[in-house]
Amino acid sequence: GNSVTQMEGPVTLSEEAFLTINCTYTATGYPSLFWYVQYPGEGLQLLLKATKADDKGSNKGFEATYRKETTSFHLEKGSVQVSDSAVYFCALSDRAYNTDKLIFGTGTRLQVFP
Amino acid sequence: DAGVIQSPRHEVTEMGQEVTLRCKPISGHDYLFWYRQTMMRGLELLIYFNNNVPIDDSGMPEDRFSAKMPNASFSTLKIQPSEPRDSAVYFCASSPNGPNTGELFFGEGSRLTVL
Repeated sequence: GNSVTQMEGPVTLSEEAFLTINCTYTATGYPSLFWYVQYPGEGLQLLLKATKADDKGSNKGFEATYRKETTSFHLEKGSVQVSDSAVYFCALSDRAYNTDKLIFGTGTRLQVFP
Repeated sequence: DAGVIQSPRHEVTEMGQEVTLRCKPISGHDYLFWYRQTMMRGLELLIYFNNNVPIDDSGMPEDRFSAKMPNASFSTLKIQPSEPRDSAVYFCASSPNGPNTGELFFGEGSRLTVL
């Protein structure tokens, strides 16, 4: 079945460092891809999305490009801040047996230190 | 605007007791989802509703779990009897356009501890 694989965390960075969180997927068909963020004690929030190959999703300085050839959707940010410390989830939409599902990866914790 | 509202935020109970978690989705959202989050298994979809009708409950672990949505503004997830392995954070989410758009709005979660 369809699935999402994320790099294990935690990812620990100093403020203003460059961030990459890897995400690869397995899917039949052409799913949409998403990144969600979960701040401590809160629910998940949609960060960005891409609905077809070569699309780039972006929001709050974060970017991710839908790469069909490598089945990847890596999250990047040029200069992280302490306030970016959170858990980041890669997800894909999945349609099977006429129902839709959003399948999440296991999450990657990011810790940014001043 | 009010977001998705869940209650209780924290629940501690003893094995064998009944647990009821509640959710009020965002007004106008036709889809409602129940997820469970644990360290071991990550985020799992339990069930989702469209226009108050259960669409996919294949993620519900076993018969001890049940979910209802009697109207567009309220849903419950019930565990009876509860077991220690049910300890997790349970999230409710709602969406205006369905899971394929990925635009789910999550509540703050209900942290359940079963002793």
